[in-house]
Amino acid sequence: ELKVEQNPLFLSMQEGKNYTIYCNYSTTSDRLYWYRQDPGKSLESLFVLLSNGAVKQEGRLMASLDTKARLSTLHITAAVHDLSATYFCAVSNAGKSTFGDGTTLTVKP
Amino acid sequence: DSGVTQTPKHLITATGQRVTLRCSPRSGDLSVYWYQQSLDQGLQFLIQYYNGEERAKGNILERFSAQQFPDLHSELNLSSLELGDSALYFCASSSPGTSAHNEQFFGPGTRLTVL
Repeated sequence: ELKVEQNPLFLSMQEGKNYTIYCNYSTTSDRLYWYRQDPGKSLESLFVLLSNGAVKQEGRLMASLDTKARLSTLHITAAVHDLSATYFCAVSNAGKSTFGDGTTLTVKP
Repeated sequence: DSGVTQTPKHLITATGQRVTLRCSPRSGDLSVYWYQQSLDQGLQFLIQYYNGEERAKGNILERFSAQQFPDLHSELNLSSLELGDSALYFCASSSPGTSAHNEQFFGPGTRLTVL
């Protein structure tokens, strides 16, 4: 059974600081997703990572994938308040996605 | 706005009842996915359809069933409802082929409350 572990589960940051969210998974997969969810809202797709060494960046967020270590990271650069949300990673295998528990990020001024 | 629509937004019903949730994918998307989000179990994948055929099955209870119709909209049927079925139900859609790496676009969700 595929297991996905995200850490930390809660993260409080100051504006302007950098931090990394980690996503470990237990078996091989064919793609890894990162999503953002604002309170009471739906999920917004941030990144889809397919291959080992894949790196994608959008604004202050950068995601990477190491399939050998079964690890993906979501790096936040110079955090701003608008990034406050819950971030989920999800690992997909043959169409079935398994989600981490989510990281709730709070960015404080 | 992702382009995926779901109805109804909210549904309140009683234990033992049956409900149907509806999802219309983005124009051109052939795949529809259903997910359940609850405080107890987090986000769980239920089932995927591609162009009318079941493609992948996750933690979907036997009391639940889904289908995708020729116009590509999908319905999730939940029967013999229990208190524990109270959750947010999301549908997502993705485009065919690999060009978009199967990026999934989520609808706004249906909040189901079972009393």
